[in-house]
Amino acid sequence: DAKTTQPTSMDCAEGRAANLPCNHSTISGNEYVYWYRQIHSQGPQYIIHGLKNNETNEMASLIITEDRKSSTLILPHATLRDTAVYYCIVRVTDKLIFGTGTRLQVFP
Amino acid sequence: KAGVTQTPRYLIKTRGQQVTLSCSPISGHRSVSWYQQTPGQGLQFLFEYFSETQRNKGNFPGRFSGRQFSNSRSEMNVSTLELGDSALYLCASSPGESSYNEQFFGPGTRLTVL
Repeated sequence: DAKTTQPTSMDCAEGRAANLPCNHSTISGNEYVYWYRQIHSQGPQYIIHGLKNNETNEMASLIITEDRKSSTLILPHATLRDTAVYYCIVRVTDKLIFGTGTRLQVFP
Repeated sequence: KAGVTQTPRYLIKTRGQQVTLSCSPISGHRSVSWYQQTPGQGLQFLFEYFSETQRNKGNFPGRFSGRQFSNSRSEMNVSTLELGDSALYLCASSPGESSYNEQFFGPGTRLTVL
């Protein structure tokens, strides 16, 4: 079973920051938080991952709370091409356990 | 580098038949994982191969099997197809040395069982 809880859907205006929350209250100390997204009919695309510290790359930022029970993915300037389903995953070795994800709709 | 490639992209079969799907990982990647995606169950892990050995397995019946060749290419096979096997089958590759390597997904094979 997925170990994460995400809102089913979210909207965001183009050019604004998109903040996608994720709850993972049962996460263990050695489990990483991964984010992937899936644009319609394509394979999932890796975005970012982290263990304890906040992380940033060219696509997004990942903010993990101090108790590690929740995290937020931030897309700083959302574009129409960011419309996708975003999956928050608590990773157990090589097995990615996907939940139902958040469907992000970016509108003009 | 070329990405993960999967063949065929689309496939139509009838109940009771068997099917073989192919995945070519990114050059240099030694780990290949397979996932099934359906509207009802979402994305589910099938199995993972590393250096020709199955390293991890999901909760699927024995009709689902796979293998990996010495060049890291992988195939998965589904025997005695059922209507419920209609799905998008995704392959992902990673370098494999670490359990936490990023996985790169292919475009998938869409299987329809009639």
